[in-house]
Amino acid sequence: AQTVTQSQPEMSVQEAETVTLSCTYDTSESDYYLFWYKQPPSRQMILVIRQEAYKQQNATENRFSVNFQKAAKSFSLKISDSQLGDAAMYFCAYSSPGGSQGNLIFGKGTKLSVKP
Amino acid sequence: ETGVTQSPTHLIKTRGQQVTLRCSSQSGHNTVSWYQQALGQGPQFIFQYYREEENGRGNFPPRFSGLQFPNYSSELNVNALELDDSALYLCASSFLTRTVNTGELFFGEGSRLTVL
Repeated sequence: AQTVTQSQPEMSVQEAETVTLSCTYDTSESDYYLFWYKQPPSRQMILVIRQEAYKQQNATENRFSVNFQKAAKSFSLKISDSQLGDAAMYFCAYSSPGGSQGNLIFGKGTKLSVKP
Repeated sequence: ETGVTQSPTHLIKTRGQQVTLRCSSQSGHNTVSWYQQALGQGPQFIFQYYREEENGRGNFPPRFSGLQFPNYSSELNVNALELDDSALYLCASSFLTRTVNTGELFFGEGSRLTVL
């Protein structure tokens, strides 16, 4: 069974600085998707960034980028120029691409605080 | 474009009772997934509905059941409530075909269930 581990329960960053959130996963599959979701205090989970395992190039979305190390089964999220609105719970998630298994496996999350 | 909406937002039940939670999927989506998020944890997959049939289930007992309607909205029913059922229940919708699953989900704000 696949597992997702986030080893940092809480992280803090100064506004405008850069922070990296860690995620490792375990799977025997060669093709899969990895995600970072953000859950602000309003509770609605929002997709931050998505990575397809067969793509070697790391995904980037504006200030958010990932460091995907497939052999090490590592998928970290880097937030550049941190803003107060980035404060939230961040969840790393794994998904198999099979059409009959559309569920996500989430880590326990990392609570990110942004200091002004 | 209408997002995922859930009702009720909060509810309190007593042990042994039954509860029904409702979800309207985002327009254009054909799949609804339900997740249970206990306090301080990542969401756990309960099940997914695709074309009105259950299409994958997590490690939850049969007293957790669901429905999907022709308009792709969905219900989550929980019978014989236990104290450990207290959690945030998240609904997520997506567009899924039998051959392609990108794994990207769009979440509602959740229903907070408290079991006393």
